[in-house]
Amino acid sequence: AQSVTQLGSHVSVSEGALVLLRCNYSSSVPPYLFWYVQYPNQGLQLLLKYTTGATLVKGINGFEAEFKKSETSFHLTKPSAHMSDAAEYFCAVSLSGGYQKVTFGTGTKLQVIP
Amino acid sequence: NAGVTQTPKFRVLKTGQSMTLLCAQDMNHEYMYWYRQDPGMGLRLIHYSVGEGTTAKGEVPDGYNVSRLKKQNFLLGLESAAPSQTSVYFCASRQTSGVAKNIQYFGAGTRLSVL
Repeated sequence: AQSVTQLGSHVSVSEGALVLLRCNYSSSVPPYLFWYVQYPNQGLQLLLKYTTGATLVKGINGFEAEFKKSETSFHLTKPSAHMSDAAEYFCAVSLSGGYQKVTFGTGTKLQVIP
Repeated sequence: NAGVTQTPKFRVLKTGQSMTLLCAQDMNHEYMYWYRQDPGMGLRLIHYSVGEGTTAKGEVPDGYNVSRLKKQNFLLGLESAAPSQTSVYFCASRQTSGVAKNIQYFGAGTRLSVL
């Protein structure tokens, strides 16, 4: 079984401030972890993913996330928020193999204040 | 460079009407998925397909049927629409090998309202 918890359905940051979106997961086996971004009226787009190897993963648009097994976390960060980062962000977990059932978190809406 | 294309983009139905949502992908992906997105609930898997001619139930399959007659197309049907099926529907696909095999590619969504 697998599950994802995203802390905070809404997060507001000032332009130029640090972005931190929290994600904790539960998985019975080593997971694959993802962050997706959804802009208004669009589908989901992959930001970054962790499967194996380096635990600090860099994605598009300056985002990165660190897989911390001991904390079962995969938090998303960006050093300096830009207005264009305003969107909804989804953390997701899956197990390897099979049809790869992906479990999505409930999403965090990021607001960037000028 | 189309990727995953969903039609229609918007639809309004009356309770009891039927309709079919079409998903088409041009990436030769084996796996295809239908999700629904509701506020505060993330994405929930309705049905999926691991190849042409095969389909399986996801988390919330009731009230929906699917077909995968061609590899590139995955159809989602509502035989008798209910207000509870008001949602945004997303199709996704993924390949089964290569460096991108763990990535799902999403369409832009279909916004369905059932009155």
